[in-house]
Amino acid sequence: DADVTQTPRNRITKTGKRIMLECSQTKGHDRMYWYRQDPGLGLRLIYYSFDVKDINKGEISDGYSVSRQAQAKFSLSLESAIPNQTALYFCATSPRESSYNEQFFGPGTRLTVL
Amino acid sequence: AQSVTQLDSQVPVFEEAPVELRCNYSSSVSVYLFWYVQYPNQGLQLLLKYLSGSTLVESINGFEAEFNKSQTSFHLRKPSVHISDTAEYFCAVSDGGSNYKLTFGKGTLLTVNP
Repeated sequence: DADVTQTPRNRITKTGKRIMLECSQTKGHDRMYWYRQDPGLGLRLIYYSFDVKDINKGEISDGYSVSRQAQAKFSLSLESAIPNQTALYFCATSPRESSYNEQFFGPGTRLTVL
Repeated sequence: AQSVTQLDSQVPVFEEAPVELRCNYSSSVSVYLFWYVQYPNQGLQLLLKYLSGSTLVESINGFEAEFNKSQTSFHLRKPSVHISDTAEYFCAVSDGGSNYKLTFGKGTLLTVNP
């Protein structure tokens, strides 16, 4: 089945550490997104990419960076993790031909920064 | 800018009771509307969507939502809920424009009690 996968699924790290979250997809979609979910705040967009050479900041990009290594891979990095980056992180994809932006989500990565 | 308001953060109901989860959006242009569901410890799954045509849309597991343009609403309903419907529900809107983004509400936690 075509899918969106995220690694790791759970991660505990310490303040100041660099960490990378990875997303891979077999759907053949061009658009990829990174969100964070916090209780009571819903999903907030961190970064999005329409192809390998097109990366855009979302509403909460400070403290994060991304890399689109290939059409199928989109990684999120925290250069120096801080406790308020503790959250559930989701990757999502959307096909280029979708004018209505329906998105397909991975299972999430639960990140805890101590 | 678009916004989505989910009026209830938590909705507790008893099994077999009807339920309505409310969603209002603000947009000055034509919109596409989505309901996503997040079961415990899982990612987001698309429940149903309104793109065009009939204003009443249905899911395979008995949920339905009605697009009401005059009230800018897209409320989700089910006439009789099951324990297995316990989950968090997110309403999302897209204007189909070149930003290719979804705007999410903050979510409603539906808890179905026996």
